[in-house]
Amino acid sequence: GDSVTQMEGPVTLSEEAFLTINCTYTATGYPSLFWYVQYPGEGLQLLLKATKADDKGSNKGFEATYRKETTSFHLEKGSVQVSDSAVYFCALSSGSGGSNYKLTFGKGTLLTVNP
Amino acid sequence: DAMVIQNPRYQVTQFGKPVTLSCSQTLNHNVMYWYQQKSSQAPKLLFHYYDKDFNNEADTPDNFQSRRPNTSFCFLDIRSPGLGDAAMYLCATSRGRRITQYFGPGTRLTVL
Repeated sequence: GDSVTQMEGPVTLSEEAFLTINCTYTATGYPSLFWYVQYPGEGLQLLLKATKADDKGSNKGFEATYRKETTSFHLEKGSVQVSDSAVYFCALSSGSGGSNYKLTFGKGTLLTVNP
Repeated sequence: DAMVIQNPRYQVTQFGKPVTLSCSQTLNHNVMYWYQQKSSQAPKLLFHYYDKDFNNEADTPDNFQSRRPNTSFCFLDIRSPGLGDAAMYLCATSRGRRITQYFGPGTRLTVL
């Protein structure tokens, strides 16, 4: 079945540091890939997505590129801020016909950015 | 702004006392989902509605039910909450069974 493996946390960085959170996946067919962010006590917010190989999703300084050859979708940001402290979930949606509704999530990575 | 709204944000109930959580949306999406998220875990899909068609996940306990009276509203009913049902409950919507789901802020359920 489908699965998502993402970097175990927690990750602690200083402000303005470079961020990478690794995400790899196993899926049938051609999945769509997502990063969601969850701030403390809140629901999930879609951060970015990519629907086909070599697509780059980007938002708020975050980027991730859909790499089919390495089945990866790593999240990067060049300079993190304290306000980026949150839990980040990598997810995929695959399947065909009526089954492609299901999001498969990774376990989440807690990011803490210190001033 | 179009959005997914969940009420209440925090709900406390007693062991075995039925509870209902509410979700509404102004996105006019025809698919609505309910997820359960326990502490430090990924969200787990309980069920979803495609229009009026209810789709239950195979491992969702019978204790969890849902109602969707119209396009905008969806309810999660927990018939007899146990201590293990304490969690964040997330509602999400999408247009058709297309790929992007939009989540509400969640309702945190405490069971005493």
